[in-house]
Amino acid sequence: DVKVTQSSRYLVKRTGEKVFLECVQDMDHENMFWYRQDPGLGLRLIYFSYDVKMKEKGDIPEGYSVSREKKERFSLILESASTNQTSMYLCASSNRRGRGTSDLGAKNIQYFGAGTRLSVL
Amino acid sequence: SQQGEEDPQALSIQEGENATMNCSYKTSINNLQWYRQNSGRGLVHLILIRSNEREKHSGRLRVTLDTSKKSSSLLITASRAADTASYFCATNAGGTSYGKLTFGQGTILTVHP
Repeated sequence: DVKVTQSSRYLVKRTGEKVFLECVQDMDHENMFWYRQDPGLGLRLIYFSYDVKMKEKGDIPEGYSVSREKKERFSLILESASTNQTSMYLCASSNRRGRGTSDLGAKNIQYFGAGTRLSVL
Repeated sequence: SQQGEEDPQALSIQEGENATMNCSYKTSINNLQWYRQNSGRGLVHLILIRSNEREKHSGRLRVTLDTSKKSSSLLITASRAADTASYFCATNAGGTSYGKLTFGQGTILTVHP
């Protein structure tokens, strides 16, 4: 069974703290993504990575950075947490190449972790 | 910009009824996907329809795609209380998009027992 694991379900941090959100996938996927989800705004892409050590900015990268030192792990870093970064953070991964003939083997289907609800006080 | 926009924003029905959600998008796509999210959890992929397909079925789910109108619909037949969740459409542009998906804001479905 496919699995994307986020290190924490709930996290409370203070303004100005450096925050690390970790995501690990066991599916040998090339692509990994970080989103934040806020009421009324849907999912917004923060950063994504299509290979080890590669990263690309998404729609809202300001205030965030990422690290992908190993294929299975993609970390989101809040250099100096602020209250407007209080949100639900979702990690996802996907194949770059299709595998097999079923939909589940199709490329670009994203598999999500359970999410981390971060509160910055 | 919002690529996928769902309609309605919220839908409340009784168990056994059908639920229809619509999605509109702006640019050309390689495929369109629907995801489900239970409260406070991650998203789960439901179904994918490619740009050259018009209709697809999976169990109680039926998805249609009209590329001329840039719209899609998700029909859940004979709904159950367990179908209560948020439903999102997501579009993939293909090409060099690295598998990026653009998500809509979602439809909140409530199925009353």
